[in-house]
Amino acid sequence: ELKVEQNPLFLSMQEGKNYTIYCNYSTTSDRLYWYRQDPGKSLESLFVLLSNGAVKQEGRLMASLDTKARLSTLHITAAVHDLSATYFCAVTRVYNTDKLIFGTGTRLQVFP
Amino acid sequence: KAGVTQTPRYLIKTRGQQVTLSCSPISGHRSVSWYQQTPGQGLQFLFEYFSETQRNKGNFPGRFSGRQFSNSRSEMNVSTLELGDSALYLCASSFIGGLGGNTEAFFGQGTRLTVV
Repeated sequence: ELKVEQNPLFLSMQEGKNYTIYCNYSTTSDRLYWYRQDPGKSLESLFVLLSNGAVKQEGRLMASLDTKARLSTLHITAAVHDLSATYFCAVTRVYNTDKLIFGTGTRLQVFP
Repeated sequence: KAGVTQTPRYLIKTRGQQVTLSCSPISGHRSVSWYQQTPGQGLQFLFEYFSETQRNKGNFPGRFSGRQFSNSRSEMNVSTLELGDSALYLCASSFIGGLGGNTEAFFGQGTRLTVV
């Protein structure tokens, strides 16, 4: 059974600092996604990572994928308050399905 | 381009009742998936439909059911509601239904179900 673990579960960081959220998954995965969720809101797609070594960047967020280590990271550079949200990684197990297995989520709070 | 639309947004039901939630995918998207989000269990997969066929089902009791129509709109039904069914129910749609490529799932705003 495919399992996804995220850490840390909660992250409180000061504006301007850098940090990394880790996402480990248990078996071979087809695709890896990162989503953002604001309180009471839906999930916003951030990145889709398809292959080993994939790296994508958007603003202060950068995601990477190491399929051999079954690890994805979401790196936050020079955090700002607007990045405060919960971040989820999710993976799909097999080809020909959109079934997403989500991690536990990382609640990020950025303070001045 | 309209996003994924879920109705209703909020719902309060009594234990034992049943409820039907609706999801209209992005135009042209044929794959629809449903998820339940609770503080305790996180985001859990319920069902996946592609071209009116259920392709995958999560580990939920038979009280949870769903279907997809020819226009790709989907509904999920929960019968004999329990307090533990209180959750945010999210629907996601994608274009080519997991057939490879840069498939991306877009989520609706969700339906907040409260069972009292």
